[in-house]
Amino acid sequence: QKEVEQNSGPLSVPEGAIASLNCTYSDRGSQSFFWYRQYSGKSPELIMFIYSNGDKEDGRFTAQLNKASQYVSLLIRDSQPSDSATYLCAVKIRSNTGKLIFGQGTTLQVKP
Amino acid sequence: KAGVTQTPRYLIKTRGQQVTLSCSPISGHRSVSWYQQTPGQGLQFLFEYFSETQRNKGNFPGRFSGRQFSNSRSEMNVSTLELGDSALYLCASSLIAGGNNEQFFGPGTRLTVL
Repeated sequence: QKEVEQNSGPLSVPEGAIASLNCTYSDRGSQSFFWYRQYSGKSPELIMFIYSNGDKEDGRFTAQLNKASQYVSLLIRDSQPSDSATYLCAVKIRSNTGKLIFGQGTTLQVKP
Repeated sequence: KAGVTQTPRYLIKTRGQQVTLSCSPISGHRSVSWYQQTPGQGLQFLFEYFSETQRNKGNFPGRFSGRQFSNSRSEMNVSTLELGDSALYLCASSLIAGGNNEQFFGPGTRLTVL
């Protein structure tokens, strides 16, 4: 079992819809969780991070964390074609380190 | 505030050569982590430095090494390059190593080994 799992997609949504990206992790002691967006040929860009159970909202983005289910998700409201990218979920397993474990990423396509 | 900078942005080397990549973190950030990204393996952790000390190391051979200077700038070195070392090498900067801190990536160095 991989430490961090994401559906590779592609996930296709129409412009204006809500895109839902999911990520599961295997280490129950994982501390904090990151969502990065990566455009083709570019480096990952941090969208949000979350470390407490529940929801965290920032503009059109909402991260949801459920530690009991070992599940973290990212919702993108009012999806735009410019949101088309690969979304990487990353998990920090231990609090005393900066090491992140990444999923393989989900490709999102937002169709005009 | 300037972001993370990495130099060079592109490198072409041949097998057996060695290479040194540089990373300057965001001003005030003291922790630098290095990652390798390939299409097959995705993003994999190489090592992490904080206050000039290596705090963590990923599952890479000893040909991969790094260091951090007193100004928090970091370098990584790959000796005896192999074709499989072709990848995007990314460095990430954060305020400190532990806790719930954001990590910001630099633009990366694209290494091609021929």
